[in-house]
Amino acid sequence: EPEVTQTPSHQVTQMGQEVILRCVPISNHLYFYWYRQILGQKVEFLVSFYNNEISEKSEIFDDQFSVERPDGSNFTLKIRSTKLEDSAMYFCASNLDRRSPLHFGNGTRLTVT
Amino acid sequence: DQQVKQNSPSLSVQEGRISILNCDYTNSMFDYFLWYKKYPAEGPTFLISISSIKDKNEDGRFTVFLNKSAKHLSLHIVPSQPGDSAVYFCAATTISNFGNEKLTFGTGTRLTIIP
Repeated sequence: EPEVTQTPSHQVTQMGQEVILRCVPISNHLYFYWYRQILGQKVEFLVSFYNNEISEKSEIFDDQFSVERPDGSNFTLKIRSTKLEDSAMYFCASNLDRRSPLHFGNGTRLTVT
Repeated sequence: DQQVKQNSPSLSVQEGRISILNCDYTNSMFDYFLWYKKYPAEGPTFLISISSIKDKNEDGRFTVFLNKSAKHLSLHIVPSQPGDSAVYFCAATTISNFGNEKLTFGTGTRLTIIP
């Protein structure tokens, strides 16, 4: 069964550094998402992306965050200047249409020191 | 602002018995509800969903019940198996307006099936 893949599985970075999290959604999917889960808390929506533009974003997704689909397969989340509170598990997800269930990747654990 | 609440952080059930996981929501605009299952070091996996036009949806051993007046849904697993041990997340969205994009998740219930 096709799956969403995320790299790296664990990223450690220093506060203030830029980080890029990478995702390869399922190939025929059209909608792409980033969610995150801070340790011990709930999974939170960050942003959705369709037709090469952001379709919706949460209040968490401020100017420090950006997303890009640089080619036909990758979908990236960039954090420009990381803060300690950005430490979390970041999940990429995709679906074929807006009403079908999301398929999640295994996540990237980001640790900001 | 906990719009979706799972008040039981953990639940232990004997193998073969019924597991019942509960979820409450406060936002009356939610009209589509999903359950996801999550194993350690993996992403959430979709399990079952229900639209607000129904009060029950069944898929094999999994049944979801929706009580709109009480703003409550539950997931029943019968019979429970050791492989069901995982964290279960309830999620909700307003699908009529936005589609499935912005899911609001609960905090999860860790289910342990005792052999």
